[in-house]
Amino acid sequence: DAGVTQSPTHLIKTRGQQVTLRCSPKSGHDTVSWYQQALGQGPQFIFQYYEEEERQRGNFPDRFSGHQFPNYSSELNVNALLLGDSALYLCASSSTGDRDASGANVLTFGAGSRLTVL
Amino acid sequence: AQSVTQPDIHITVSEGASLELRCNYSYGATPYLFWYVQSPGQGLQLLLKYFSGDTLVQGIKGFEAEFKRSQSSFNLRKPSVHWSDAAEYFCAVGVYSGGGADGLTFGKGTHLIIQP
Repeated sequence: DAGVTQSPTHLIKTRGQQVTLRCSPKSGHDTVSWYQQALGQGPQFIFQYYEEEERQRGNFPDRFSGHQFPNYSSELNVNALLLGDSALYLCASSSTGDRDASGANVLTFGAGSRLTVL
Repeated sequence: AQSVTQPDIHITVSEGASLELRCNYSYGATPYLFWYVQSPGQGLQLLLKYFSGDTLVQGIKGFEAEFKRSQSSFNLRKPSVHWSDAAEYFCAVGVYSGGGADGLTFGKGTHLIIQP
């Protein structure tokens, strides 16, 4: 059973360019979340997608956008890259059917895409 | 908004010794609490979680954590560490917003070093 898969694993871009990162959720999962993890920091929530719509967004500028496809896979797009966008981008998936009675859920994380902006 | 503090950036423990990693959270109600572990070049692996009920929760790899509401803490413990436990440990808090969304807030992590 494949877990969460992300591509590419590593990439290098220059300032001002645009990047697209891809994520396939774990089989049976319908919700995808994206996190940014800068070097030496904890992951920061970017946004979450469910039923092809952005359901929640963290404190990130509009340069960060996403998309979810009918097969539940997702893309993260970052425009006008800045040096500070260099980070490990983590995708996490979950299933609405796995929520407990209180609504809590567990995320399964992928290994991430390491973006370096020069 | 919720927040998570992991006061110890680095901790060094001898192999076979006990371990306690501290986590304090800030949130008005009872949040959902998690501990994740990250090895170099890897994603995050869930160690354990607290949603409700028994405040002492057991996880994988021999880890346990105790939720203490009065102290707003969720410390991670292990009675005897192994060299393979060397990694980065993250505490996280989640809040169910009713609409189904639940972005997690993570602490900055504690780097665990195991010395022989």
